[in-house]
Amino acid sequence: GESVGLHLPTLSVQEGDNSIINCAYSNSASDYFIWYKQESGKGPQFIIDIRSNMDKRQGQRVTVLLNKTVKHLSLQIAATQPGDSAVYFCAESADAGGTSYGKLTFGQGTILTVHP
Amino acid sequence: DAGITQSPRHKVTETGTPVTLRCHQTENHRYMYWYRQDPGHGLRLIHYSYGVKDTDKGEVSDGYSVSRSKTEDFLLTLESATSSQTSVYFCASRQSSYNSPLHFGNGTRLTVT
Repeated sequence: GESVGLHLPTLSVQEGDNSIINCAYSNSASDYFIWYKQESGKGPQFIIDIRSNMDKRQGQRVTVLLNKTVKHLSLQIAATQPGDSAVYFCAESADAGGTSYGKLTFGQGTILTVHP
Repeated sequence: DAGITQSPRHKVTETGTPVTLRCHQTENHRYMYWYRQDPGHGLRLIHYSYGVKDTDKGEVSDGYSVSRSKTEDFLLTLESATSSQTSVYFCASRQSSYNSPLHFGNGTRLTVT
């Protein structure tokens, strides 16, 4: 498969553990945030999103936490499985009064490796 | 995912040749985007479209042009390919311009020799 990124932060966990992946953002005007998963040779896959009027949102086995005070976003994966091994990255956007046309700014990503 | 198909999946071309990458979506999404992904840079926006024949530049648009003649199709053209354009190119679409996720295709790996 192709290399998505070099020298990315890495997280190694054992199967069944919980994983926490972090993301810092810089634009205080950002009001919409998304987490993506990318497996080798594939496009980014949407996991979960959150708007700035929320600080927590839960999905199936995943939870996203948003701390606007420190501009920090985290993705928690419960009972991590080998199939969760991938690169995970966050994205942010600011509506900018409707003129931004939904342009997203992407983080570099974190490589998650789950050991059986 | 969101019915986005990119073609070709892989291409090798020579410096100076024109190259066109194709993106086709079946979701009737108004907004479409072209990104490139490179180690150390992440995903960077090349061009985007907010409707048929409505396009604009992203952060790395030099050397690229786009066209959108139908809602479902968004073409990216490298007018004269250079080695610096060797990359993986992703197309994405979304239903609304805000508070909705982008859905991506599986990419085109382009090598310029």
